[in-house]
This record gives sequence, C-alpha cells and structure tokens, in this order.
Amino acid sequence: GNSVTQMEGPVTLSEEAFLTINCTYTATGYPSLFWYVQYPGEGLQLLLKATKADDKGSNKGFEATYRKETTSFHLEKGSVQVSDSAVYFCALRDQAGTALIFGKGTTLSVSS
Amino acid sequence: EPEVTQTPSHQVTQMGQEVILRCVPISNHLYFYWYRQILGQKVEFLVSFYNNEISEKSEIFDDQFSVERPDGSNFTLKIRSTKLEDSAMYFCASSIGTGSEKLFFGSGTQLSVL
Repeated sequence: GNSVTQMEGPVTLSEEAFLTINCTYTATGYPSLFWYVQYPGEGLQLLLKATKADDKGSNKGFEATYRKETTSFHLEKGSVQVSDSAVYFCALRDQAGTALIFGKGTTLSVSS
Repeated sequence: EPEVTQTPSHQVTQMGQEVILRCVPISNHLYFYWYRQILGQKVEFLVSFYNNEISEKSEIFDDQFSVERPDGSNFTLKIRSTKLEDSAMYFCASSIGTGSEKLFFGSGTQLSVL
C-alpha cells in the first residue's frame, strides 16, 4: 500500500540556517504530495503541495519539488526563523482516493 | 480563514465507556475525515465520509468505531467501548474535494482512557 517515510528528528538549527527535511514515498499511480505543519497546540495546516512530477510547491519561503524518478518530495528553506519551529509532516493522497497518508513527522527547533 | 472546530479539547474516560467526539466542519465542504495521533507516533487515517456514507476506512476503524453526521453541521466519531490503546489525539478534518484538495484540520481532542 501507499506509505511515506520522513527523516527522523528532532532537527535543531540556528536562525538563518538552511533546512532540508527528506521525504520519500511509495505509491501506485500518481499521487498528490503535501507538506503539513503543526505548530504547538494547534491542528495541522497545509504548508505546500504538488500534484504532478516536476511540480514545485512553495509557501512562506519553503519549497519542495515532486521528483518521480527518486519518489521524493524533500522540504527546503534557505533561512529558517525561530517562528518556523514546529512539526512537519509529509503526506500523499491518490488521485482517486480520500485518505491522506502521513509520514511520522519531523520536529524542527530553531534557536536565535 | 474558515475553521474546523472540535469539542471537547480534552476528554477523560474509563476503559469500557462509550465516548463521542464532536466536530463542526467548514460549512461548504463535502468530505469529512477523522485521524488520530498516538503520542510520539504518526498521524493515522481512520475514516472518510461523503454524501452521508463512509468513503474509505483504515484497518484501525473496526466495529468499535462509528461516524455520523446527525444534523447537517456536526460530524461525530463514536467509540463504543474504549480501550487503553485508544488514548490519542483525534483530529477532525474537512475538504471541498479529494485528490489534490487541501484538508482543513481542527485543533484536536485529546482522549485519555484510564
């Protein structure tokens, strides 16, 4: 079945450092790919998405590119801020399905 | 931005008791979902609901679980006889469509089974 694998956390960075959180997936067909973020005490919010191969999703300085050849959707940001501290979840959904399948989540902690 | 609201934010119950978790999805959304997150683990899909019936469910969603949209605005998850391992954060979500459509999540109900 479909699955998502994320790098283990926590990831601890200083402000303005470069961020990469790796995500790979296993799926039949051509899923849509997502990054969701969960700030402390809140529900999950969509950060960005990509719906087909080579699409790049971007939002708030974060980017991820849908790479079908490597089945990856790595999250990057050039310069993190303290306010980016949160848990980041990679996820996928089949075009025909309703279930959104999440990875385990990666905790990011940014210090000033 | 519109919100999905969940009540209560925390629920404590005794093993074997029935619990009902409540959600008010966004008003023009058509698809409704329940997810759960056991402490320190991944967010797991439980069930999706569309047009007053279950669209898809995971192996976690066994006969102890049921969902209902009783009045056109609320969406509920019932656990008939709670077990210790049902302790988790339960998230409700809704969306306009499927595929690449964004899910809007509530803030969750923390269920503790003693």
